[in-house]
Amino acid sequence: AQSVTQLDSQVPVFEEAPVELRCNYSSSVSVYLFWYVQYPNQGLQLLLKYLSGSTLVESINGFEAEFNKSQTSFHLRKPSVHISDTAEYFCAGGRTKTSYDKVIFGPGTSLSVIP
Amino acid sequence: ETGVTQTPRHLVMGMTNKKSLKCEQHLGHNAMYWYKQSAKKPLELMFVYNFKEQTENNSVPSRFSPECPNSSHLFLHLHTLQPEDSALYLCASSQGRFGKANEKLFFGSGTQLSVL
Repeated sequence: AQSVTQLDSQVPVFEEAPVELRCNYSSSVSVYLFWYVQYPNQGLQLLLKYLSGSTLVESINGFEAEFNKSQTSFHLRKPSVHISDTAEYFCAGGRTKTSYDKVIFGPGTSLSVIP
Repeated sequence: ETGVTQTPRHLVMGMTNKKSLKCEQHLGHNAMYWYKQSAKKPLELMFVYNFKEQTENNSVPSRFSPECPNSSHLFLHLHTLQPEDSALYLCASSQGRFGKANEKLFFGSGTQLSVL
């Protein structure tokens, strides 16, 4: 079955500390990988995506994720978090088929940045 | 502001009520989606419309009835819901190129539905 797994449901971290949010995918779902962020009382917003090419992708607000095919992972990292990074983070994967495809989301990781 | 607007933001309804959720986008997108977000569960895709045609119905109970009158508007009609249907219902849109799973999804803020 196609699946995207996020092993940590909650991650507390102190402000200015580094953080890694883990994501693993089943090989059947991986062609495209995404990280979406959901701030309180808002919808999801695309943070970054891997489509092809360089395995390291970056967002404009300091997050980066690395596509690792051998480990079937797409972990999200930030070297120094801010209070404003407190949010729910969703990993997602998609695969193009002959019919219109859908993106499969993981269960989400709640990042809490502690002052 | 993502360009996708959902109304109402909050909705409380009884099990015998009939209500509708509305989604509107002015991004020029051709694909629109309904997702269900329950606590601690992955987002569940409910319906996909591409160029106003329903291309995905993810085994959703018939008490949920979608309607897409044009590429900019999407409705979710609700009737005789159950308490377990309480959740955040998210609308999303994308450019809508057939067969492309690499499209960025633009989400609305959702409607928080409580079924009593």
